[in-house]
Amino acid sequence: KQEVTQIPAALSVPEGENLVLNCSFTDSAIYNLQWFRQDPGKGLTSLLLIQSSQREQTSGRLNASLDKSSGRSTLYIAASQPGDSATYLCPRKLVFGQGTRLTINP
Amino acid sequence: DTAVSQTPKYLVTQMGNDKSIKCEQNLGHDTMYWYKQDSKKFLKIMFSYNNKELIINETVPNRFSPKSPDKAHLNLHINSLELGDSAVYFCASSQRHREGGYTFGSGTRLTVV
Repeated sequence: KQEVTQIPAALSVPEGENLVLNCSFTDSAIYNLQWFRQDPGKGLTSLLLIQSSQREQTSGRLNASLDKSSGRSTLYIAASQPGDSATYLCPRKLVFGQGTRLTINP
Repeated sequence: DTAVSQTPKYLVTQMGNDKSIKCEQNLGHDTMYWYKQDSKKFLKIMFSYNNKELIINETVPNRFSPKSPDKAHLNLHINSLELGDSAVYFCASSQRHREGGYTFGSGTRLTVV
């Protein structure tokens, strides 16, 4: 059964740092992978979608990579800001992990 | 114009009642989903419909019945509500089943008292 593991479960850093969030899954099948953020009490906002034929996607300060052979995806956040504080999620074939709860301190 | 809209946003009801949550998407997607987010914030798939056909029906009590009148709508009806049904329910849609590109609604917070 598909499982998604996100590391770390929680992260608290000062503003301005570059961050790496990790997502691993138990299959290497050819599927797209999408990163979301969820603010407290809110819905899910799509950040990046990596097509199965791609290795990475970039949007502003965010860069996500996908390594199907190892079953991993990484979300890189450059120059973090307090507004980046949220829970980050990377569902795989409809399965969600517990997410990474990110707090950026001013 | 909201891409995936759910109504109502909040629902407070007594145990034993029957309630429905509606979901509509205007993205032209052919697949729609219902997720439940419990108090521990874990999101779990409940149902998925592709072209109005039920594709996934996870281990969900049969008090929960999804209905898809057309590709743009997927409603969730819950009979005999229980305290444990209290959660946030999210609707989502995508162009193809399980292949990412999901768009989520803003959620319906259900509280059973």
